[in-house]
Amino acid sequence: QEQLVESGGGLVKPGGSLRLSCAVSGFTFSDYYMSWIRQAPGKGLEWVSYISSSGNTIYYADSVKGRFTISRDNAKNSLYLQMNSLRAEDTAIYYCARASRGIDYWGQGTLVTVSS
Amino acid sequence: DIQMTQSPSSLSASVGDRVTVTCQASQDVTNRLNWYQHKPGKAPNLLIYDASSLETGVPSRFSGSRSGTHFTFTISSLQPEDIATYYCQQFDYFPYTFGQGTKLEI
Repeated sequence: QEQLVESGGGLVKPGGSLRLSCAVSGFTFSDYYMSWIRQAPGKGLEWVSYISSSGNTIYYADSVKGRFTISRDNAKNSLYLQMNSLRAEDTAIYYCARASRGIDYWGQGTLVTVSS
Repeated sequence: DIQMTQSPSSLSASVGDRVTVTCQASQDVTNRLNWYQHKPGKAPNLLIYDASSLETGVPSRFSGSRSGTHFTFTISSLQPEDIATYYCQQFDYFPYTFGQGTKLEI
């Protein structure tokens, strides 16, 4: 059974950094593209970033380009999101997701709060 | 970026009702359009993929269709457990984009 478990969220000051992790099990991680998606409080879903199975192809939403970095470690079945220069508008639940048939499996999410 | 215009933003219906949500894409996304159900505190759940294919394990009262750039999501007979917010999403082009969501109430 596919499982995606995010960790690393928390409270951070504006301008600070945070690294999210996603531990995957129940499928062959190295075969699949992956994404991060977020939901700000009271708002809808916003796609954040995408990485190919090998890590060679990466895309970002304009809202995070230059500040966030997606990466993966196929040996550790793990996906990461390094978030720098955080802003109040980055406050959201961040979901790790498998990018097959669009997005077919999601984690439960980890909350990131950017506030002074 | 492709804009996904989803309507209505909220909907109140009764158990047993037929419920319809629509999504209009700003340009052709072929059939690369999914529908998700999202309940508070839970992971979003894929219901319909490729515009009209029912995800394994999803009840058959859920369905989707496509006419050009216009997409429709239907619940044929609303059940109490269907209370959630529903989103469409195109995955034909980056950035992937979601509709604004439809909050369904009974």
